[in-house]
Amino acid sequence: QVQLVQSGAAVKKPGSSVKVACTASGGTFSTFAISWVRQVPGQGLEWMGGIVPIVHTTKYAQNFQGRVTITADESTRTAYMELSSLLYEATAVYYCAAATETVPRPPGAAGLDYWGQGTLVTVSS
Amino acid sequence: QSVLTQPPSVSGAPGQRVTISCSGSWSNIGAYDVHWYQHLPGTAPKLLIYNNNDRPSGVPDRFSGSKSGSSASLAISGLQAEDEADYYCQSYDSSLSGGVFGGGTKLTVL
Repeated sequence: QVQLVQSGAAVKKPGSSVKVACTASGGTFSTFAISWVRQVPGQGLEWMGGIVPIVHTTKYAQNFQGRVTITADESTRTAYMELSSLLYEATAVYYCAAATETVPRPPGAAGLDYWGQGTLVTVSS
Repeated sequence: QSVLTQPPSVSGAPGQRVTISCSGSWSNIGAYDVHWYQHLPGTAPKLLIYNNNDRPSGVPDRFSGSKSGSSASLAISGLQAEDEADYYCQSYDSSLSGGVFGGGTKLTVL
């Protein structure tokens, strides 16, 4: 059984960066297609980007291009999402999620069958 | 504005059947699989339907999915109070080279 555990809540100042970790247990981490999804209060789910470690493929949503960096460390089974130049509007819950098909598709193409618990990032001065 | 279009809200009485639509284009639903999620406040989203019409183990067969052309639908039959939640469709978009979600639909069980 796959479990994803995310790092704890963070409070950041405008203009700074935040890095959220997502550690997986169970399954074959390198073949996961890991996506990062956020939900701004009162709004819907938004796909930010994703990574497939085994093929070193990373994709980013156009809204986040240049401001988000997604990486994965296979040795620690941990994926990271770093968002820079934070604005107040970046206050949101950030989720990592994994598609665990045997043959991975590009990030964002497969159904996300396992989710982390979410990490609240608050941007405040 | 979301690339995939869903109605903001739907409602139904207990025991009834409701459908939630998800409209896209040739570059997303028309070419790629659609997946559906149930999201309850304060919890992580849950995969309900994957690859257009498959259910993960543990998801009741009251939930079903379909796809035709560049549109997809989620049907929920035998509505129960615990089905009250937000529902999202998701697909891949080749023009954007990434995943996309619908705007979400709030289901109210009357």
